[in-house]
Amino acid sequence: KAGVTQTPRYLIKTRGQQVTLSCSPISGHRSVSWYQQTPGQGLQFLFEYFSETQRNKGNFPGRFSGRQFSNSRSEMNVSTLELGDSALYLCASRQASGANVLTFGAGSRLTVL
Amino acid sequence: EDKVVQSPLSLVVHEGDTVTLNCSYEVTNFRSLLWYKQEKKAPTFLFMLTSSGIEKKSGRLSSILDKKELFSILNITATQTGDSAVYLCAENSGGGGSNYKLTFGKGTLLTVNP
Repeated sequence: KAGVTQTPRYLIKTRGQQVTLSCSPISGHRSVSWYQQTPGQGLQFLFEYFSETQRNKGNFPGRFSGRQFSNSRSEMNVSTLELGDSALYLCASRQASGANVLTFGAGSRLTVL
Repeated sequence: EDKVVQSPLSLVVHEGDTVTLNCSYEVTNFRSLLWYKQEKKAPTFLFMLTSSGIEKKSGRLSSILDKKELFSILNITATQTGDSAVYLCAENSGGGGSNYKLTFGKGTLLTVNP
């Protein structure tokens, strides 16, 4: 069974640009969450999608957005990039029933110059 | 805002030692507490503790939850170099079903020297 797949794994952008990250959940998992990980703040919740609807959102500015498609794949977008957006962006999926354990992908490492 | 605090922030031990990692939490709508291990990129799941399952064990790793005092510990016995990683504690207060949110601590960096 394939795990959570994130693309791209690494990317470099400059301030003011925008970026789109992609996440394919484990087959059968209907919920996808996104987290930002930085050395200073650790892992912080961005948002969760379930059945193509955003169910929960963390304390991030509106420049951070996401969506989920009918096949449960998800994308997140960051517009008008700032230096502080440099981070590892982790996607995680779960079945949304049963044990409710998140399975994480390997992440997308974003560097903003 | 719910808060999860882990201690120590880093720890260096020798192979064969036993370590105890701590996690305290403040929560208004506790559902479960989870432990993850992060070696390079993807955190991998270790344990989930709930009000109906306050003690878990898997091989050399074990964890307990004290819901009254709002803390959890992760024990690793007979440590090996492969145990070197960041150990993350997270609390789920978002509920189940379609509403799920983990609040993570900053993690404990464990280094096991041969």
